[in-house]
Amino acid sequence: DGGITQSPKYLFRKEGQNVTLSCEQNLNHDAMYWYRQDPGQGLRLIYYSQIVNDFQKGDIAEGYSVSREKKESFPLTVTSAQKNPTAFYLCASRPQGSNTEAFFGQGTRLTVV
Amino acid sequence: GNSVTQMEGPVTLSEEAFLTINCTYTATGYPSLFWYVQYPGEGLQLLLKATKADDKGSNKGFEATYRKETTSFHLEKGSVQVSDSAVYFCALSGGRGSTLGRLYFGRGTQLTVWP
Repeated sequence: DGGITQSPKYLFRKEGQNVTLSCEQNLNHDAMYWYRQDPGQGLRLIYYSQIVNDFQKGDIAEGYSVSREKKESFPLTVTSAQKNPTAFYLCASRPQGSNTEAFFGQGTRLTVV
Repeated sequence: GNSVTQMEGPVTLSEEAFLTINCTYTATGYPSLFWYVQYPGEGLQLLLKATKADDKGSNKGFEATYRKETTSFHLEKGSVQVSDSAVYFCALSGGRGSTLGRLYFGRGTQLTVWP
């Protein structure tokens, strides 16, 4: 089955540690996105990528980093510079074109203690 | 710039009640408009979409019409069920001057349906 997979579903880390969230898709989509979701704040865009080896900052990129070495993969690293990293993280992919829908993963809930 | 404004929640209804969740947008040109639904602990999934003015998107009894004159895309359902309890997001993409590839989301509206 085609889809977008995020792993793990739950992740715990100690403060000051970097952590990498995985996102893989087998839908052959060019564009991939990372969003952060906090209660009552909707979705906020962290980074997005339209093509392999290229990505752009979203609205809240500080403290995060990404890479796009393969079309299928768009991992997100939450660095120790991120002041409040505990949140629900959603990855999405989408074909090119403004009228296309985005497909979302099941999310990773990161808790930093 | 582009933006989406959704009705604040939460919305609480009894089963079989009529649902309206308001969504208005700011964009120039002809963006595409979407409604997504998120069930607890899950990612978002597309509920319906419309890509040009006066188009009506529909799915699972939900409907929304792309109204360019009022820059709106309100979500409606004639008779809600307990299983419709979720968070609903309005979104837009494209339009003149839009950043290529970006989707703009509203803040989401929590719907709870009681039996």
